Amino acid sequence: DAGVIQSPRHEVTEMGQEVTLRCKPISGHNSLFWYRQTMMRGLELLIYFNNNVPIDDSGMPEDRFSAKMPNASFSTLKIQPSEPRDSAVYFCASSFLAGGLGTQYFGPGTRLTVL
Amino acid sequence: GESVGLHLPTLSVQEGDNSIINCAYSNSASDYFIWYKQESGKGPQFIIDIRSNMDKRQGQRVTVLLNKTVKHLSLQIAATQPGDSAVYFCAENSSGAGSYQLTFGKGTKLSVIP
Repeated sequence: DAGVIQSPRHEVTEMGQEVTLRCKPISGHNSLFWYRQTMMRGLELLIYFNNNVPIDDSGMPEDRFSAKMPNASFSTLKIQPSEPRDSAVYFCASSFLAGGLGTQYFGPGTRLTVL
Repeated sequence: GESVGLHLPTLSVQEGDNSIINCAYSNSASDYFIWYKQESGKGPQFIIDIRSNMDKRQGQRVTVLLNKTVKHLSLQIAATQPGDSAVYFCAENSSGAGSYQLTFGKGTKLSVIP
C-alpha cells in the first residue's frame, strides 16, 4: 500500500496567490482529515470528511480556506488568497472509521511558505 | 474545552535505556487513545493504540499503559535506539461524542544519546 499521498511536498508562493494542496487517501478508507501544524499551535484539525461528505469544518480558519472531496480517492485544500500567516505544514490523514473509532494514517505533508 | 496535554516537553535518554513518555487527558469520556511518532520532516506515524476497556497493550519494544482513574496515558519504549529520536504525540477520541476527531497533545521530544 502506498499510504497517503500528498502533493506538492513543498510550496512557496507570494501573498495573495491561490494555493491548492492535494491528497490521495489510502484505498478503502472512508474518512479523510486535513490538519495544519505549526510550532506555536501544534497539530490543528481543519476539516474532515466521511464518505466524501464534509462533517466538521469548524477548524477552518476563515473563508479563505476551502476543501473538497469529489470522490473517495481525492481531496483538495485551497487557500485563496494566501497570507504569510498561512505558512505551515499541512497534513492529510485517512482512516477507516467503524463504530466511531479508527486509526488515522498521515501523509508526508506539504510545507507551505507564503512570502 | 477538554484537551490532551503532556507532562514533559523534552526527554533525553541514553541509548539502550528504557524511555517513558507521559500524557494526561481531561475528557473522562475518551475511550480510544493513540500514540504517534513524528520524525523531522515527516508526518505522524502510528505506533500503538489502546481502548479504554484495557489498561495495557504491548507492541514491538513499545508498551502503552492506561490509567483511567487518574486519566493518564504512558508510552514505554524498551532499549531505546537512536532511531527512536522523534516527537511523540498522544491523541484521544471519544466515540460517544459522535465525532471522529482525534485531539492531539502538544508533543514530547525524545532525544537518544548514543
